[in-house]
Amino acid sequence: KNEVEQSPQNLTAQEGEFITINCSYSVGISALHWLQQHPGGGIVSLFMLSSGKKKHGRLIATINIQEKHSSLHITASHPRDSAVYICAVRSNYKLTFGKGTLLTVNP
Amino acid sequence: DGGITQSPKYLFRKEGQNVTLSCEQNLNHDAMYWYRQDPGQGLRLIYYSQIVNDFQKGDIAEGYSVSREKKESFPLTVTSAQKNPTAFYLCASSIGQGETQYFGPGTRLLVL
Repeated sequence: KNEVEQSPQNLTAQEGEFITINCSYSVGISALHWLQQHPGGGIVSLFMLSSGKKKHGRLIATINIQEKHSSLHITASHPRDSAVYICAVRSNYKLTFGKGTLLTVNP
Repeated sequence: DGGITQSPKYLFRKEGQNVTLSCEQNLNHDAMYWYRQDPGQGLRLIYYSQIVNDFQKGDIAEGYSVSREKKESFPLTVTSAQKNPTAFYLCASSIGQGETQYFGPGTRLLVL
């Protein structure tokens, strides 16, 4: 069993829809990261969380340490949000990555 | 502009050949990392370096080697001992270990 599980693996939405991507992990962590990977391959760090909730523009990330679960929400989704979203957890300075969620937002 | 550069974008390797992937950063970061990404899998750590002249093996170091002679540079050599080198390779850096990592654009390595 992977230490980091993401769901769904693939997600297709219509422009304007509210998106939720989930991440569950099985180890104790010091922080959780949400990353975005565009089709060209480059990766951008979106959030680093150790508790609670963070918001940046239309993106919201939450984490529940007790339940070992995090969610990434996108409000008013747009085709430019189409990308792979990756959850990674930090434990003892090491990052363990989920397999990613492929999001496609259609106009 | 500050950032991380990787070159080349695409690299072809012949059987039995060593190849070196370049990673340069001008962010003044102490820590640098190399990851490998395969289809359907999460990123896996190959090597990391916390400081100049020091580096540590990651989870999948076999068949790879690195050097960290300068703070700005962390080249990765894929040796002939790496039997399945075809993958997407990503370099990253952070101010220190445990801080947010910034990723380069990646190099796609293909074996001919």
